[in-house]
Amino acid sequence: GNSVTQMEGPVTLSEEAFLTINCTYTATGYPSLFWYVQYPGEGLQLLLKATKADDKGSNKGFEATYRKETTSFHLEKGSVQVSDSAVYFCALHNSGGYQKVTFGIGTKLQVIP
Amino acid sequence: DGGITQSPKYLFRKEGQNVTLSCEQNLNHDAMYWYRQDPGQGLRLIYYSQIVNDFQKGDIAEGYSVSREKKESFPLTVTSAQKNPTAFYLCASSIDRGQKGTQYFGPGTRLLVL
Repeated sequence: GNSVTQMEGPVTLSEEAFLTINCTYTATGYPSLFWYVQYPGEGLQLLLKATKADDKGSNKGFEATYRKETTSFHLEKGSVQVSDSAVYFCALHNSGGYQKVTFGIGTKLQVIP
Repeated sequence: DGGITQSPKYLFRKEGQNVTLSCEQNLNHDAMYWYRQDPGQGLRLIYYSQIVNDFQKGDIAEGYSVSREKKESFPLTVTSAQKNPTAFYLCASSIDRGQKGTQYFGPGTRLLVL
């Protein structure tokens, strides 16, 4: 079956530091890949997505590239802000009929001033 | 404004009591989902519905029930059979049954046991 692996954290960074949150996956076929963000006490919001190999998703300074050869979709940001403190979820979805979205465990990011 | 609303924000359940969590969407989405979120476990799928009057069990359906009588509404009942109901519950929707992967989430309901 499908699976998504990411570190739970917390990841603690100083403001303006470089961020990488690793995400690797196991899936058959050619899944779409997603990063969702959850701010404290709220639901999840789509941050970015990529639907095929070598695609780069980007939004709000965050980027992730769909690497089929390494089955990875690592999230990066060049300079984090305190407002980026949240939990980040990597997820995948396989096309073809109904298939559920598979979420990773979520990585908590804390950015300190 | 289109979106998903969940109510209440906090819900307290007494021993042996059934409680119902509300989820409403005005996005005209066909598919709706209920997830349970526990610390360190990510999101787990409870039930999903691809179309009105149809729903399917997810990975952890025991102790829960749902209905989908209207496209806009997908209420979740936590029954007394659910022995560990304390969690954060998230409702989501997606544009069609093929899902396309992108889900839109409500703000969540936190259920606590008295």
